[in-house]
Amino acid sequence: GAVVSQHPSWVICKSGTSVKIECRSLDFQATTMFWYRQFPKQSLMLMATSNEGSKATYEQGVEKDKFLINHASLTLSTLTVTSAHPEDSSFYICSARTAHSYEQYFGPGTRLTVT
Amino acid sequence: DAKTTQPPSMDCAEGRAANLPCNHSTISGNEYVYWYRQIHSQGPQYIIHGLKNNETNEMASLIITEDRKSSTLILPHATLRDTAVYYCIVRVTGNQFYFGTGTSLTVIP
Repeated sequence: GAVVSQHPSWVICKSGTSVKIECRSLDFQATTMFWYRQFPKQSLMLMATSNEGSKATYEQGVEKDKFLINHASLTLSTLTVTSAHPEDSSFYICSARTAHSYEQYFGPGTRLTVT
Repeated sequence: DAKTTQPPSMDCAEGRAANLPCNHSTISGNEYVYWYRQIHSQGPQYIIHGLKNNETNEMASLIITEDRKSSTLILPHATLRDTAVYYCIVRVTGNQFYFGTGTSLTVIP
């Protein structure tokens, strides 16, 4: 149980375009989802926290207009990277938790390359 | 910001116990310690968590010092598949996880 999926697993896009990444909890209802970014050989950096049906809370230094997060249902959250640039190339990972536990279940990650 | 410090790397012989230390000297009384690991290019995998008592599950044991300022994750019989980056995380009151730099564990045949 407690499986989180992400789609796509990798994506290549051109500079200036937007990319949407989906995060789904497959066998549980996720009241809270988290989005992280990880650059090569670095640790995970928390970008934002989203609760179902409400606006996401962004970490300091993360541009909310560039990284649009939608958590419209208890099983789906999306991250849209708008007007992507090469410096946005990274490994994006989501996680989810239920209302009954603080444990986070992580997705497999999405590797974004902006050319 | 991360509230933990870990050694950047460790080696362990296959079949031996791997003991991974973590310092969290500023931990508050109601903050839990979580351990996750990340195998290359995958999402982190939950291992174990605890508040103040020692914990054990099928994967590992977690030993937390009495003053809660440090903890040790123990993998009792390390295998090659345990090679990964191990993260010790203090869950803050807002329920977010702030990852530190982790320990890169290499299990040697």
